[in-house]
Amino acid sequence: GAVVSQHPSRVICKSGTSVKIECRSLDFQATTMFWYRQFPKQSLMLMATSNEGSKATYEQGVEKDKFLINHASLTLSTLTVTSAHPEDSSFYICSAINSGSNSYEQYFGPGTRLTVT
Amino acid sequence: DAKTTQPTSMDCAEGRAANLPCNHSTISGNEYVYWYRQIHSQGPQYIIHGLKNNETNEMASLIITEDRKSSTLILPHATLRDTAVYYCIAAESQAGTALIFGKGTTLSVSS
Repeated sequence: GAVVSQHPSRVICKSGTSVKIECRSLDFQATTMFWYRQFPKQSLMLMATSNEGSKATYEQGVEKDKFLINHASLTLSTLTVTSAHPEDSSFYICSAINSGSNSYEQYFGPGTRLTVT
Repeated sequence: DAKTTQPTSMDCAEGRAANLPCNHSTISGNEYVYWYRQIHSQGPQYIIHGLKNNETNEMASLIITEDRKSSTLILPHATLRDTAVYYCIAAESQAGTALIFGKGTTLSVSS
């Protein structure tokens, strides 16, 4: 089956530093990937749509200069949290759509737990 | 995307069938019904999806009413490992369409 990986699985960083999270589709190509954020005891919230070779589309209220998204290849999208603050501590999850499939099914990564101290 | 409504929580005894309802009364003709679940601190896992007809796979069955305004996810023999938050999502099946998650139903399976 289609597998999406994320790296790292958990990261702790100091306030003011930047953190990069990678999302990879391991056995399929993904023109489109999505980034979600999930706070404790809440549902997943869509942050942005990442399109290979073009700029990401951000949801209302998500700062594009703070959450930098790069989708440079058909199997990799990265999310960089710049100048992280404690309120950015959250569970970040990516998903990818198989470009070669007609079902447009989304496959989710295992998530990255970010803690900003 | 059509809004979905699910009960906040449900309990089920191990070995019994778990029937999780979902209301999507404003669903449009080209929107599918998707079910995902999320076990604590993991990414969502795809379960099943359907448009009009009932669907079954190795994990579950999906029963969609004839008017498509509601559906039921059936886990035929629930196990402790089925304890999770279950999300019902109505969305078009096309490239570039993100899934929008509601609050879901927390299913607790006990022995």
